[in-house]
Amino acid sequence: DQQVKQNSPSLSVQEGRISILNCDYTNSMFDYFLWYKKYPAEGPTFLISISSIKDKNEDGRFTVFLNKSAKHLSLHIVPSQPGDSAVYFCAASPGFNKFYFGSGTKLNVKP
Amino acid sequence: EPEVTQTPSHQVTQMGQEVILRCVPISNHLYFYWYRQILGQKVEFLVSFYNNEISEKSEIFDDQFSVERPDGSNFTLKIRSTKLEDSAMYFCASSRTTTGGREKLFFGSGTQLSVL
Repeated sequence: DQQVKQNSPSLSVQEGRISILNCDYTNSMFDYFLWYKKYPAEGPTFLISISSIKDKNEDGRFTVFLNKSAKHLSLHIVPSQPGDSAVYFCAASPGFNKFYFGSGTKLNVKP
Repeated sequence: EPEVTQTPSHQVTQMGQEVILRCVPISNHLYFYWYRQILGQKVEFLVSFYNNEISEKSEIFDDQFSVERPDGSNFTLKIRSTKLEDSAMYFCASSRTTTGGREKLFFGSGTQLSVL
């Protein structure tokens, strides 16, 4: 029962370039989406979120895009920095304090 | 910034033994959660807890699992008789909201449970 899918287990990007992490979901009841970043030996930390009433939300170098018709969201990091190297989890919520997570994408930003 | 704390960071146990994983959620948060991540797999929801009772649980959260908030600060996950497949990183999380779920989850750093 994978309601949230991150099909790329890993991504490697050169420093200064754009990183694009993708996420697909199947449940049309999801109306709130989040990205979390996780470093080794640490818990996931919140990065950015988007409500289904929007199609874009930007916070500094991080932008999340939501395509509701395709049930797809993406996280853009530009410019990418070596400190961005981490595992990124996409999460979706239908409300009621329920959150569903993807399996994560490991981003490696090469200096 | 307030944070969720979990202890221990690593727990090794023998199959069939009971383990208790401990968490101190952020003090003004109302919802508490346990998630787990088996190595290389997705982060899986186990249980949510609100107002001193379970509000939702997944099919993973069977009779071997229980949660408790024994005092005003701690939130524990007990596994009564551990199995090899319980080996995973267990994350505690908390959130503020009571409705809508538009708040984000704050996670602890996890307890790595190894069942031998």
